[in-house]
Amino acid sequence: DADVTQTPRNRITKTGKRIMLECSQTKGHDRMYWYRQDPGLGLRLIYYSFDVKDINKGEISDGYSVSRQAQAKFSLSLESAIPNQTALYFCATSDYKTGRLSYNEQFFGPGTRLTVL
Amino acid sequence: AQSVAQPEDQVNVAEGNPLTVKCTYSVSGNPYLFWYVQYPNRGLQFLLKYITGDNLVKGSYGFEAEFNKSQTSFHLKKPSALVSDSALYFCAVSRTWNSGGSNYKLTFGKGTLLTVNP
Repeated sequence: DADVTQTPRNRITKTGKRIMLECSQTKGHDRMYWYRQDPGLGLRLIYYSFDVKDINKGEISDGYSVSRQAQAKFSLSLESAIPNQTALYFCATSDYKTGRLSYNEQFFGPGTRLTVL
Repeated sequence: AQSVAQPEDQVNVAEGNPLTVKCTYSVSGNPYLFWYVQYPNRGLQFLLKYITGDNLVKGSYGFEAEFNKSQTSFHLKKPSALVSDSALYFCAVSRTWNSGGSNYKLTFGKGTLLTVNP
């Protein structure tokens, strides 16, 4: 979805390096998410944010941190990268509406392929 | 806890034949159900969703899915497969707004790789 962009698209780094993955959206959505995809494991939630001041850990947050700089920007950092963090990382957004319209349909960016050597 | 099972890692069909990609779910209360598709080197694209109403949901690219509450299933179908349908398909579930608690969480299955042979 062109409304959700991720940079970089590909990154190769070395063990111990600090890495930041960035996500920007023009959909005007309040909620943003970071997932990682591993073969055979599907998508697993790392962190999610309901708004700039509301950030929460997902299933697999260890080794990761996030920053919600603005409604439209949500960054994921690997403080000290390790090889088992090699994966495809996706950012997603969803629109929150009170009541029955809160379907939580999520819109995904194109992904960042990260390789940690 | 909510979960999604896609029992087949791979599905192979011949072009022109009907296809089915299976999905079963577990969630407290009523579900919202989604299918997403991932083409090679691309992000996930939304295909269709079940919110309420008619159990047969129609989506993009000629796909449809049937919600079966008694079997807790939401299988993806297409009457006539195309080679271009070859991709990785993900089923996902979320609780409805009135099921209590936070309905933020979208839980994904592990994905089913669909290969359509010419």
